[in-house]
Amino acid sequence: GQNIDQPTEMTATEGAIVQINCTYQTSGFNGLFWYQQHAGEAPTFLSYNVLDGLEEKGRFSSFLSRSKGYSYLLLKELQMKDSASYLCAVTAAGNKLTFGGGTRVLVKP
Amino acid sequence: KAGVTQTPRYLIKTRGQQVTLSCSPISGHRSVSWYQQTPGQGLQFLFEYFSETQRNKGNFPGRFSGRQFSNSRSEMNVSTLELGDSALYLCASSSSGGGLGTQYFGPGTRLLVL
Repeated sequence: GQNIDQPTEMTATEGAIVQINCTYQTSGFNGLFWYQQHAGEAPTFLSYNVLDGLEEKGRFSSFLSRSKGYSYLLLKELQMKDSASYLCAVTAAGNKLTFGGGTRVLVKP
Repeated sequence: KAGVTQTPRYLIKTRGQQVTLSCSPISGHRSVSWYQQTPGQGLQFLFEYFSETQRNKGNFPGRFSGRQFSNSRSEMNVSTLELGDSALYLCASSSSGGGLGTQYFGPGTRLLVL
């Protein structure tokens, strides 16, 4: 099976940086996704990491360490609209996409 | 391209009834996955269909079933509804499926069972 852990909730100030960690245990790891989900809406794709290292996409960056079973999503220059849940999801060979419980980020002015 | 569409968006049913939800994937996508999302359990995988075949299945009772048509549209059926089936049901499509391709989610169907 797969086990994915991420913090339940984080609070940060507008303009600041927040790092959301995700640890996972799985066999036959293929890749790791990050999704953003605003309340009452569907998840939207943010990033996909397959190899170790940092992937940067504007204000959002995602890091992966396959050997450590660890990833983080870095949100820079936080804006109020970044208040949402962030979902870490892992895919393994031949298996479905398994999601963590999500991290609710609250951005305060 | 048009995104993933789901119908209906909202549904109210009573215990014991059955319900059918529909999902139309992004044009060209052959994989459709279904998820149940509740506040307590988060996003849980139900099943995945690829080219009309069920390729993966989550840990849900047999009351939950699905199918996919030749045009890749998919339906999900829940029979003998229980109060605990109240949830947001999301479908997602991808070009490759099996967890290998990026999944794009539809807006979901919010089901309330009374």
